[in-house]
Amino acid sequence: GENVEQHPSTLSVQEGDSAVIKCTYSDSASNYFPWYKQELGKRPQLIIDIRSNVGEKKDQRIAVTLNKTAKHFSLHITETQPEDSAVYFCAASPRSGGSYIPTFGRGTSLIVHP
Amino acid sequence: DVKVTQSSRYLVKRTGEKVFLECVQDMDHENMFWYRQDPGLGLRLIYFSYDVKMKEKGDIPEGYSVSREKKERFSLILESASTNQTSMYLCASSPGDYYGYTFGSGTRLTVV
Repeated sequence: GENVEQHPSTLSVQEGDSAVIKCTYSDSASNYFPWYKQELGKRPQLIIDIRSNVGEKKDQRIAVTLNKTAKHFSLHITETQPEDSAVYFCAASPRSGGSYIPTFGRGTSLIVHP
Repeated sequence: DVKVTQSSRYLVKRTGEKVFLECVQDMDHENMFWYRQDPGLGLRLIYFSYDVKMKEKGDIPEGYSVSREKKERFSLILESASTNQTSMYLCASSPGDYYGYTFGSGTRLTVV
């Protein structure tokens, strides 16, 4: 099955700095890569996703890049703000039976210091 | 806005009890999922369903079963609760492949 490694497990930055979270996956059949943000005590929420036919996708201060050859993808957050503090999860989706079921990374706790 | 509702936010049960966790979504999504979330282990898939009365095992199905009698409802059943099932349980739904999940708020289950 798919195996997703996520690094770092904890990331501490100053407000205004950039933050980068990296994930690697093992199954070359994976072709959908979502990212979720989970604030303390709240549900995970989808913040951005990318499909394998795209190398990069941006949405305001966040971007995701994908390198299918190397089997890794990254989340980039620019101009970080305290409200970006949360746990971020990456996922990779290979096909399982009739559906693409994502395997999640273990999460990165991002702390943005004011 | 898609809404996924889990019936209980906090639950305390005794070892050996049969426990039902309910999840309802209101946007006619095909796929529904149950995950457990533990510190340092991320989100682990217990069961999923891509149609009514259909179910498939995820990565950690032991000790659990599920029921999907109606499209909007997906129930997780702990046949005989044990202390190692103390965890946060998250339900999610999605309209299909290449779509992200909408998660419920979670049920924090404590088995004593």
